[in-house]
Amino acid sequence: SQTIHQWPATLVQPVGSPLSLECTVEGTSNPNLYWYRQAAGRGLQLLFYSVGIGQISSEVPQNLSASRPQDRQFILSSKKLLLSDSGFYLCAWRLGLAGGRETQYFGPGTRLLVL
Amino acid sequence: AQSVTQPDIHITVSEGASLELRCNYSYGATPYLFWYVQSPGQGLQLLLKYFSGDTLVQGIKGFEAEFKRSQSSFNLRKPSVHWSDAAEYFCAVAFPGTYKYIFGTGTRLKVLA
Repeated sequence: SQTIHQWPATLVQPVGSPLSLECTVEGTSNPNLYWYRQAAGRGLQLLFYSVGIGQISSEVPQNLSASRPQDRQFILSSKKLLLSDSGFYLCAWRLGLAGGRETQYFGPGTRLLVL
Repeated sequence: AQSVTQPDIHITVSEGASLELRCNYSYGATPYLFWYVQSPGQGLQLLLKYFSGDTLVQGIKGFEAEFKRSQSSFNLRKPSVHWSDAAEYFCAVAFPGTYKYIFGTGTRLKVLA
């Protein structure tokens, strides 16, 4: 069966510091991978998605970036965090099939607090 | 523009009462439809999904949802709510031929003992 991991679970960082959040998926190959941010009362905002190694699509221009160095690894980064980067970050995957029929499955999330 | 609306931000029901959470979407064709549940501090868990066929779909934890094309709705229902159902519920849509999913802003359910 497939499993998705995220770490760290919680992170407190000062403004201006760098960020690296990691997401890995087990039990599948060539998944589509997604990063979302969830702010209170605002649902889920899609940040990035990836259909393959090195292929990243950005949905929202901001000071975050994403990379996919391996098939089942997706990393969210920032060079300098802003206060507004605080939130709950969720990674998700789905089978790498076209057509949108496949379901997204979510990781446990990382809570980021920027002070 | 494509959108998903969950008009109820908060809903409070008594344990044992029935529940209906509303979801409406705006799209030219029928999208793929999902309901997820999120407990505090946790990721999202899939409750049920609709791709095509029978418009009444059954999910986990006793939930069901009905797709109504004429109303562009996909409302979630449960005949008898349990205290453990207290959580936040998200409706989501995916569009054929794309990789994107759009989520509603969520409905927070409170259950009174």
